[in-house]
Amino acid sequence: SQTIHQWPATLVQPVGSPLSLECTVEGTSNPNLYWYRQAAGRGLQLLFYSVGIGQISSEVPQNLSASRPQDRQFILSSKKLLLSDSGFYLCAWRQQGAQETQYFGPGTRLLVL
Amino acid sequence: EDKVVQSPLSLVVHEGDTVTLNCSYEVTNFRSLLWYKQEKKAPTFLFMLTSSGIEKKSGRLSSILDKKELFSILNITATQTGDSAIYLCAVVKRAGSYQLTFGKGTKLSVIP
Repeated sequence: SQTIHQWPATLVQPVGSPLSLECTVEGTSNPNLYWYRQAAGRGLQLLFYSVGIGQISSEVPQNLSASRPQDRQFILSSKKLLLSDSGFYLCAWRQQGAQETQYFGPGTRLLVL
Repeated sequence: EDKVVQSPLSLVVHEGDTVTLNCSYEVTNFRSLLWYKQEKKAPTFLFMLTSSGIEKKSGRLSSILDKKELFSILNITATQTGDSAIYLCAVVKRAGSYQLTFGKGTKLSVIP
């Protein structure tokens, strides 16, 4: 069966510091991968998605970036965090060629101070 | 711009009550609508709806889609404290790589 991992689970970072969040999927190959952010009082906002290694599409312009160095690894990064980057970051995967249901990882709670 | 609106935003009920959660949408090239339940962390998948008028059911939860009026409802009968969660509605478009557009969610609190 498929599982999705995210780490770290929680993170407290100062403004201006860099960020790297990692997501990995097991038990499947060539998945679609997604990064979402959930801020207080707002719905899940799609940040990036990827249909394959090295292929990244950005949905929202911001100071975040994403990379997919391996088939089942998706990384969210920032060079300099802003206060507004605080939130709950969720990674999700979907099997290509299957129905559109996405399955979510446990999330990373980021607090920027 | 695509919109998904859920109502109410929050709801408090007593155990045993029946609740109805609403989701309306304005999306071009609609493909399907998904419901998720989010407790502490990851949203977990409940239902996917693609056709109007066909009820999906799982235990005490059921959901139906109306593609003419552009809305869906999620019903929970005989609520339990374990149903306390945020319920998220999301819409999938036909084009693209199946991105989900989410509503803000309905926070349901079930008190004993």
